Amino acid sequence: GESVGLHLPTLSVQEGDNSIINCAYSNSASDYFIWYKQESGKGPQFIIDIRSNMDKRQGQRVTVLLNKTVKHLSLQIAATQPGDSAVYFCAENRANTGFQKLVFGTGTRLLVSP
Amino acid sequence: DTGVSQDPRHKITKRGQNVTFRCDPISEHNRLYWYRQTLGQGPEFLTYFQNEAQLEKSRLLSDRFSAERPKGSFSTLEIQRTEQGDSAMYLCASSGHLYEQYFGPGTRLTVT
Repeated sequence: GESVGLHLPTLSVQEGDNSIINCAYSNSASDYFIWYKQESGKGPQFIIDIRSNMDKRQGQRVTVLLNKTVKHLSLQIAATQPGDSAVYFCAENRANTGFQKLVFGTGTRLLVSP
Repeated sequence: DTGVSQDPRHKITKRGQNVTFRCDPISEHNRLYWYRQTLGQGPEFLTYFQNEAQLEKSRLLSDRFSAERPKGSFSTLEIQRTEQGDSAMYLCASSGHLYEQYFGPGTRLTVT
């Protein structure tokens, strides 16, 4: 659902389950997307990225899917672990700015229960 | 540790005081970014440097804010006459390519 201020969308899963975190982006001209993980009190940590000429990219335990038709991005985490508990942000790069100008989404809190 | 570092990690100041934060990027990265993050929100872009040149500033960066990167390595962000609304986490990121920014741990500013 929508988040306002402190009320982040939250996804609660059991350890070992697969997690899917969704993100809607706003600019159809965006050409690059990144998922970041942010633990409490720390800076965002790069997880995986995808360019707009791709629709899927896989990393270690993570997969990003991009649907440009509906401007939707998802992050799939396989075999979720308690250490995956964090806030996850998607970010889009606004193309034609001459540099990487990231615009971040609101974020989703992932809670993993042992 | 060869990641992005920021100093201080926490700063508490009284309204009206000036504060300065420092960012040391990954050594070979020529691009440096400052962001601001408030509780429950994603980071918001403030400004961008390529080497020592400040090439982009957000409208969020009021005239009380100034950033420098004098030798194209570390950067400083100064806030003059701080206001309570300036309370936030200030994040620095660096990049060596057009994409893929790496973030530091941030400086949390509290203005009382």
